[in-house]
Amino acid sequence: SAVISQKPSRDICQRGTSLTIQCQVDSQVTMMFWYRQQPGQSLTLIATANQGSEATYESGFVIDKFPISRPNLTFSTLTVSNMSPEDSSIYLCSDTQGASETQYFGPGTRLLVL
Amino acid sequence: GENVEQHPSTLSVQEGDSAVIKCTYSDSASNYFPWYKQELGKGPQLIIDIRSNVGEKKDQRIAVTLNKTAKHFSLHITETQPEDSAVYFCASDTGRRALTFGSGTRLQVQP
Repeated sequence: SAVISQKPSRDICQRGTSLTIQCQVDSQVTMMFWYRQQPGQSLTLIATANQGSEATYESGFVIDKFPISRPNLTFSTLTVSNMSPEDSSIYLCSDTQGASETQYFGPGTRLLVL
Repeated sequence: GENVEQHPSTLSVQEGDSAVIKCTYSDSASNYFPWYKQELGKGPQLIIDIRSNVGEKKDQRIAVTLNKTAKHFSLHITETQPEDSAVYFCASDTGRRALTFGSGTRLQVQP
């Protein structure tokens, strides 16, 4: 499986600011995803990061709040915009390779908004 | 959309005992069912998965069973060890490669 890294691993931010989270994979992958895990909760898919085109967002998530880029097959960013305390969560990226459905996750970015 | 329900939310067992976690799903088009283990401060780690054309899969102390007719699948851990203590998530995929997760089970193995 590809090794996935995320930066930053954690951050504390002030409300109203924005944070960009980076996800780097060590080999070319087919699909990349961004998930949110609110404190003590399960994982919820935010969007599928499409290489070279706009991300596909799930219901309840919008591009203005969570802009996503994927400039190549190994890198993606998620920005959490105009943050509020409700955005305090773990943000996780994941990937699949080739035709496999098997999805691997990065270590996550732990965000606390004050 | 797909809905995945997971039970129990917490499970405490004695070391050496077996643990069983159950999930049900709603979308009959779901065809891939992974299980993840998440330890504190880490991302989810895939521990086993099963596809819809298989009824059971085993990997050492871990096994997963799938009943497509009833739309439920289960994780079985035998001979539990303290290092099995973690939160376990089931998930399903309808083919979009985007997973829908269950609510999680916190497993505690008492030494």
